[in-house]
Amino acid sequence: KAGVTQTPRYLIKTRGQQVTLSCSPISGHRSVSWYQQTPGQGLQFLFEYFSETQRNKGNFPGRFSGRQFSNSRSEMNVSTLELGDSALYLCASSLGAGEGLLQETQYFGPGTRLLVL
Amino acid sequence: QKEVEQNSGPLSVPEGAIASLNCTYSDRGSQSFFWYRQYSGKSPELIMSIYSNGDKEDGRFTAQLNKASQYVSLLIRDSQPSDSATYLCAGVTSGTYKYIFGTGTRLKVLA
Repeated sequence: KAGVTQTPRYLIKTRGQQVTLSCSPISGHRSVSWYQQTPGQGLQFLFEYFSETQRNKGNFPGRFSGRQFSNSRSEMNVSTLELGDSALYLCASSLGAGEGLLQETQYFGPGTRLLVL
Repeated sequence: QKEVEQNSGPLSVPEGAIASLNCTYSDRGSQSFFWYRQYSGKSPELIMSIYSNGDKEDGRFTAQLNKASQYVSLLIRDSQPSDSATYLCAGVTSGTYKYIFGTGTRLKVLA
């Protein structure tokens, strides 16, 4: 079974631009979560989508948004980029329904490394 | 503020020793816990998950959960230099699908 894939893997943008990152979950997984990872802040939760609906949200400004499609693929958009948005953006997928380790276990994609100049 | 706390390290152990990584959590509603290993520049990789109090073993790894004391630990037996990485602990309240990650403990296994 193929793992979580993310595109692009690397991205360089300038301040003020916007960017869209894509995540394809493991087949059969309906939950996709997004994280920002920086050396100083560790792994910060952005949001989680399940069945095309945002189910959980972290404490990021509205410049960060996402969506999920009917095939469970998800995109994350960051508008008006700032230097501080430079980070590794990770998505993780899980089955997402019900309770228990099987349903809740998240698997991470390789990440998109974003550099804002 | 629901938190998961880990000592940032680095924790240095000699090759062949047991590495003990600890994690405490504040949310009593957290029921499932996960340990991820992350090599520098790579994404987190799942090592162990645990739900019930007690020990859970998988090869050289043992996860321990004590819900009364609100701590989770990961033991790595016969540590190898290839185990050198950052280990992330995460907790999730059942049914919420919102993970709370610790900041990670950097482990160095000295050859």
